[in-house]
Amino acid sequence: DVKVTQSSRYLVKRTGEKVFLECVQDMDHENMFWYRQDPGLGLRLIYFSYDVKMKEKGDIPEGYSVSREKKERFSLILESASTNQTSMYLCASSQTGSRSYEQYFGPGTRLTVT
Amino acid sequence: KQEVTQIPAALSVPEGENLVLNCSFTDSAIYNLQWFRQDPGKGLTSLLLIQSSQREQTSGRLNASLDKSSGRSTLYIAASQPGDSATYLCAVSDSGNTPLVFGKGTRLSVIA
Repeated sequence: DVKVTQSSRYLVKRTGEKVFLECVQDMDHENMFWYRQDPGLGLRLIYFSYDVKMKEKGDIPEGYSVSREKKERFSLILESASTNQTSMYLCASSQTGSRSYEQYFGPGTRLTVT
Repeated sequence: KQEVTQIPAALSVPEGENLVLNCSFTDSAIYNLQWFRQDPGKGLTSLLLIQSSQREQTSGRLNASLDKSSGRSTLYIAASQPGDSATYLCAVSDSGNTPLVFGKGTRLSVIA
């Protein structure tokens, strides 16, 4: 079974802190994605990556950056956390070349910025 | 830009009822469509994936259909159970490895 893990289930940070959210997948997937989920707004794409050291902006990249130094790990960085970044963060991965390109999701990180 | 709509936003049914959840998308040029389940405070669990060339997929009591030309998909749940209570999300991909575009979900409650 594909496994996508995220470093924390719950995280509480203060305004202005630098925050790292880690995502690891164990199926050698090329594609990895970061979404955030908010009530009434649904899931929105922050950043994605097709390969190591590659990154693409999604719909709402402002205030975020990403790092992909190894194929299995995709990190989301909040450079200076703000209260409007309080949200549920979901990581996903999929495999290039598979027939379906099915996306698999991690358990999510609930981030609260105070 | 692709937009995905799910109706209704919430649904409450008695246990044992068969039910249909609806999903529509604005651009019919999709690669695939996925249905997910999300329990409160948890991540997304993939239920069914339908590729653009397929008309339906089945898994147990779940059946998903796709009518690409009309931009619609339905998720049919047979003999609903209280354990089916969750939010169901529909998402489409425009090409194989591009990000998914999600609907806002249908929150289902199955009452015992």
